[in-house]
Formats: sequence, C-alpha cells, structure tokens
Amino acid sequence: DAMVIQNPRYQVTQFGKPVTLSCSQTLNHNVMYWYQQKSSQAPKLLFHYYDKDFNNEADTPDNFQSRRPNTSFCFLDIRSPGLGDAAMYLCATSRVFQGIAEAFFGQGTRLTVV
Amino acid sequence: KQEVTQIPAALSVPEGENLVLNCSFTDSAIYNLQWFRQDPGKGLTSLLLIQSSQREQTSGRLNASLDKSSGRSTLYIAASQPGDSATYLCAASTSYGKLTFGQGTILTVHP
Repeated sequence: DAMVIQNPRYQVTQFGKPVTLSCSQTLNHNVMYWYQQKSSQAPKLLFHYYDKDFNNEADTPDNFQSRRPNTSFCFLDIRSPGLGDAAMYLCATSRVFQGIAEAFFGQGTRLTVV
Repeated sequence: KQEVTQIPAALSVPEGENLVLNCSFTDSAIYNLQWFRQDPGKGLTSLLLIQSSQREQTSGRLNASLDKSSGRSTLYIAASQPGDSATYLCAASTSYGKLTFGQGTILTVHP
C-alpha cells in the first residue's frame, strides 16, 4: 500500500549527539513536511520541502536541519539535541494542486534524549 | 497568525451516543480544514478533508462541516463506539498545505 514510512519508530540519543530521523513515501507527493509534537501539545510545523525547495518556519531553531535527496526521501537532522527536543517527530506528505492539499502522516518517531 | 482552538479538551460518553467536536480558527483565509485521529503514541490518520469551497464532508459515521465566515468547523460522530476512543485534531491549511493544529479533543467512549 502507498504510505508514509518513518524510521525508526523510537530513537534514543545522548544529549548533544547528532541524530537523524528518516521519512520515505510511495505516494509521489511533491511536498514533504516535518512536524514536532511535544507531550500533550499540538503538532508544530518545523519546515517543508516543495519539490526541492526548502522552506523553514521562522521560529524553527537552527539546531534543526533537513535534507531531501529525492522525491521519496526526507531526513530530519538534529545537530545537538537538548532535553527540550524530546518529542514525537511526524513526517507528512501532500500533493499540492490549485491550493488543495490533503496531508498524509507517517507513524512518527518518538525521540528520547538522555 | 492562524490560531486553532478545539472545544472540549476532553469528552467522555457512553457507547451509542452521538457527539459533536468543535474547532474554531482565527484566519478565515484557509485552503482546507482537515480532521485527524491520533491514537496514543501513534501518528495521525486523516479522517476528513473539507475544501474551503465546501460546506461539509461525510465518511461513514463521521460528518464534518465548515463555516469559513464564522471560522468554525464541527466533527459529528454518530453512534459512538469504544473503538472511537482517541484524540481528534483539526487543522487549518494555508499555502503549500501547511497545517496549523488545534490542541485536540481527547475522546473516551465507554461500553
């Protein structure tokens, strides 16, 4: 089935040690997003790729970077994770056409920082 | 800046009851309004998408309405079941499909 796949489902990293989360899609959607969801909070957009164009939200910390080497894959890099970066990270995709875009989400990666 | 609010924050109902979840947004210049379900520790499952030109969408026991002028959407769940227990999130879509989420309504349906 076409879907959005995130790996790993659970990631434990040490304080300050770089970590990469991955997302792949078989939907061939042109837009991919990364959202951060802290405990009992609403998901918050970090950035998105429209095709190869990277778009950062104004309040996304510099500690967070992203790469999209091709249509199917997108990575979230956290350069120096702090305890406050522990959260669920959600990848989503959509096909934006004439302003209409239905978002499809992966199962998320739960990041723990120790 | 778009702000999305969901009421109530939590809802507990007996099985079989019909219920309504509310969502309001401050900026009516939206492209879509999307409702999601989130089970504990899981990702988001899309339930319904209402385009800005539409008034409502239906899928099975779910019906979502949209009133752009008043900045409101409702999700109606008919004949609730214990399997409906989850967090329900609404999200307003702006350019490029970027979503602004509400805090969610935690629904518990007890047998």
